[in-house]
Amino acid sequence: DQQVKQNSPSLSVQEGRISILNCDYTNSMFDYFLWYKKYPAEGPTFLISISSIKDKNEDGRFTVFLNKSAKHLSLHIVPSQPGDSAVYFCAATLESGTYKYIFGTGTRLKVLA
Amino acid sequence: SAVISQKPSRDICQRGTSLTIQCQVDSQVTMMFWYRQQPGQSLTLIATANQGSEATYESGFVIDKFPISRPNLTFSTLTVSNLSPEDSSIYLCSVGGRQGWETGELFFGEGSRLTVL
Repeated sequence: DQQVKQNSPSLSVQEGRISILNCDYTNSMFDYFLWYKKYPAEGPTFLISISSIKDKNEDGRFTVFLNKSAKHLSLHIVPSQPGDSAVYFCAATLESGTYKYIFGTGTRLKVLA
Repeated sequence: SAVISQKPSRDICQRGTSLTIQCQVDSQVTMMFWYRQQPGQSLTLIATANQGSEATYESGFVIDKFPISRPNLTFSTLTVSNLSPEDSSIYLCSVGGRQGWETGELFFGEGSRLTVL
């Protein structure tokens, strides 16, 4: 039972354009969400988070949107750069203070120069 | 973010042996965790490493197979025992709860890639 799903295993985007990575979840009780980026042979790098009380959080080129009614969150990267090419994971937790996260299976983003 | 160092970064082990992975953090952290990423899969939480007490294991993971130590607030080890090829994965140490971090952020080491022959 995959509670956090990333239905697109891969995505290709032209440099300078917007990358939109999607994540769906099944448990409406999740209260905190994270996005990570992972390069080969490295650990996941924290990118951005959002609490369930918000619907948007922005940090530089990265914006996360949360649609609670649809149980959907998305990560927007604008403008996309070749260095953004990596695997992106979304993660969710029922209680942020526990740090117990359920991760999606990841989306491999390739930004074409 | 914290600097989280894992050793070894990779290893190849024989079936039936054990491997111990070390995780060192550059500052004291409240919460330390061990995750596994099997090939092509998402990250799965193995256990929470509790300082001064036994680790708390998630469903499907047991202490006999994955003994964990956490002697202080900056160090933990994960042992993968009685290895089989199904244990071939990346094992990741992660931390949370460092003072000054926004609540909920979880940070990872670079991972230890285990291959079992």
